Formats: sequence, C-alpha cells, structure tokens
Amino acid sequence: DTAVSQTPKYLVTQMGNDKSIKCEQNLGHDTMYWYKQDSKKFLKIMFSYNNKELIINETVPNRFSPKSPDKAHLNLHINSLELGDSAVYFCASSGIWEQFFGPGTRLTVL
Amino acid sequence: GENVEQHPSTLSVQEGDSAVIKCTYSDSASNYFPWYKQELGKRPQLIIDIRSNVGEKKDQRIAVTLNKTAKHFSLHITETQPEDSAVYFCAVPNNNNDMRFGAGTRLTVKP
Repeated sequence: DTAVSQTPKYLVTQMGNDKSIKCEQNLGHDTMYWYKQDSKKFLKIMFSYNNKELIINETVPNRFSPKSPDKAHLNLHINSLELGDSAVYFCASSGIWEQFFGPGTRLTVL
Repeated sequence: GENVEQHPSTLSVQEGDSAVIKCTYSDSASNYFPWYKQELGKRPQLIIDIRSNVGEKKDQRIAVTLNKTAKHFSLHITETQPEDSAVYFCAVPNNNNDMRFGAGTRLTVKP
C-alpha cells in the first residue's frame, strides 16, 4: 500500500492557468506538508497542516491555496500559474518526526 | 527559526572510499537530527537519524555523529558503492515541529 500518494505525477500547463495537485496519506498522521523542490534540488517548505488546520505558511504567494478536507488529505491549488512555479512539488506527512514523502508532482509551466 | 547549513554541495568519491557530509544548525534546543536520501527522480527517504542523547549511531555502512556543543552533525558512508549516488539532505526540527532541510549534497560514486 502506498503510504503517501499524490496526483498527478506530471503536470504541464500554460502560464495563467489554474491547477490542483491532490495528496492523500494512509498512515494516520495528524500533520501534512507541501514542499517545493526547485531545479537546484533545494527542498523548501510551503505549508504545514495539523489535523486540518494551517500551522505554517512560509511566505508563499497567495496564488497558492492549500485545502485539507480531512486529516488524510491535503490538496494544493495554484491560480494564475507563472513560469517560476515550475518545480517538483512534494506532499509529506509526519507522526512525531520522520517525514514520509509522496512521489512528487513535476509541474512545468510553459 | 532554525537555520541549517550543509556542506559540501557536491561530493565525488571513488567506489570503496568513504564520504562525509556535514550539517550545522543554529537552535541549540534541537534534539532530533535526520538524514534523507533522494535518488534521481524519486522521493526523499529517511536513511538514518539520531537523537540528542547519543553522540553516534550506526546502521551497516552509514553512521551519523552529533556534536551538540558545536551544533553540527555529520553523515558518514563507508565502502561507498555506485548505488549510494544520490542527493543527501540533513534536516532539523523548527519551532513549529516542521523540518528545515539543508540545501542538499549531490554524492557521486565513481565505479
């Protein structure tokens, strides 16, 4: 069974479009995250949710809006996509400390 | 918040040699220190971690050492193999219990 899953795996879209990435975890964790990994491989946290409540919003443009319908799901919606949004986006969940990452979504904005 | 620095950014070793990656952090209250490995095109995965009550932890060919006084911890890989080639990240808990990751080290093991 996949512990943390996210869809889609690849996303290619035009500038200005709106897109969503979905994430689900079956580990029973209370905390979920979104990370952005740029071309230089730097892993930067974007959001953290604990039991459906926003804990961290790390100076992310408000074009990015996370939504957590329940503690097993944390989706990411991005409005008005820009070239600089191209990256790999990882969802993750954690119990106490260890982060379990999803497979990543490679977003390419043309 | 926590500031994490990782060195070197790239490391190339011959198969069979050892590799060492170092991470420094700023918050002396931190008490958990993991290392993640990310193979090409894959997700980061935890390979070893250490808590502040010990100075060293080993798991086969990998080990992590911690110097709390100097606020740094290191990943040691002995007898490196080509499959060790990957990007390695250190991480340190931040105030809100999220993880702050180092910038990553790209390790290449040449056969």
